Amino acid sequence: NAGVMQNPRHLVRRRGQEARLRCSPMKGHSHVYWYRQLPEEGLKFMVYLQKENIIDESGMPKERFSAEFPKEGPSILRIQQVVRGDSAAYFCASSPSRTGFGNTIYFGEGSWLTVV
Amino acid sequence: QQQVKQSPQSLIVQKGGISIINCAYENTAFDYFPWYQQFPGKGPALLIAIRPDVSEKKEGRFTISFNKSAKQFSLHIMDSQPGDSATYFCAAPDSGGSNYKLTFGKGTLLTVNP
Repeated sequence: NAGVMQNPRHLVRRRGQEARLRCSPMKGHSHVYWYRQLPEEGLKFMVYLQKENIIDESGMPKERFSAEFPKEGPSILRIQQVVRGDSAAYFCASSPSRTGFGNTIYFGEGSWLTVV
Repeated sequence: QQQVKQSPQSLIVQKGGISIINCAYENTAFDYFPWYQQFPGKGPALLIAIRPDVSEKKEGRFTISFNKSAKQFSLHIMDSQPGDSATYFCAAPDSGGSNYKLTFGKGTLLTVNP
């Protein structure tokens, strides 16, 4: 049962380093979404990608954050020059198509980033 | 921008009791209201979802009640079990016609005592 696969599950970075989080969508899914969960908060949408395209990045911070979903390979969320406020759980989700009711998004188990 | 207010923040229920979690939203032009269940260290998993053209949906011990005029929906867990102990999030779509951009409530930590 290959769900949404994320790695690494846990990542520790020093301030100023780069963090790279990877996500492989569920088999047959071509739409990928990244969400961020800060401590004691609900999840917040960051970006929506299809293969080789960013569809909606309205939730991405303007600086230091970028995302891609190449033709081959996993989607990658990249955070440059990390700061302590970037410490959070980052969840990837996928869906087989642009969602409508009954065609929901499925989340991975998350990547926990700790910035020290 | 969608706003979703969830209450209570935490809830303690005895085994066999009913757990009730409430959510209120602002924007009305949406067609999908899901509830997610999240265990510690895990990702959110879809529990149950409802369209606004029905007032109630039941799946096993889980029921969503929807009040469109009040812009509220709630999750009821009947015969609550210790295994139901988790954080529950309600969510609402941020843009009509596409349910990927969900706005989540802040979550309710449910503890079911044996």
